[in-house]
Amino acid sequence: EAQVTQNPRYLITVTGKKLTVTCSQNMNHEYMSWYRQDPGLGLRQIYYSMNVEVTDKGDVPEGYKVSRKEKRNFPLILESPSPNQTSLYFCASSLTGAYGYTFGSGTRLTVV
Amino acid sequence: KNEVEQSPQNLTAQEGEFITINCSYSVGISALHWLQQHPGGGIVSLFMLSSGKKKHGRLIATINIQEKHSSLHITASHPRDSAVYICAVNSNTGNQFYFGTGTSLTVIP
Repeated sequence: EAQVTQNPRYLITVTGKKLTVTCSQNMNHEYMSWYRQDPGLGLRQIYYSMNVEVTDKGDVPEGYKVSRKEKRNFPLILESPSPNQTSLYFCASSLTGAYGYTFGSGTRLTVV
Repeated sequence: KNEVEQSPQNLTAQEGEFITINCSYSVGISALHWLQQHPGGGIVSLFMLSSGKKKHGRLIATINIQEKHSSLHITASHPRDSAVYICAVNSNTGNQFYFGTGTSLTVIP
């Protein structure tokens, strides 16, 4: 089944403790991206990647890192999480970025 | 700044009604997307448009590039259509993706 798999679904962590949210797709898509969703603000793009080893900042990249060492994986790294990064995070992939998107199920992160 | 504006923010309809959700954008785009987010949180891509009109079942999406406007129509609405509908655009000056804040639709039986 074609899908984008995010893990974990839920995560509670403490301020400053490094964490990684994984994202994997099995559709051989070139484009992958990360978003956060906050009440009243909607979805905002954090980072995107057009292909392996190519990443670019979206609207809200501060406090996040990404890497794209393989086509299928695009992890989101929070080196030193802070409470303002408490949010619902989505990973998505697309054939090239200008085609339809497939979203992961989301990761609800709480930083205390 | 809001590159994408949606209206209405909230919409309640009786089952069977015809529903329209509007989206206006201010940037040049390569494509516009309509997404559906159910109460469980998952997001599904409904349509991707760069011109004209697309239809899938009871859903119809249109776009007017000159007016920078798109509409999502739902015919013969049903309670299972209750969800948040999100308009999003791919910028044509890069590969950024901008989202509207969504329209929360509730269809009452």
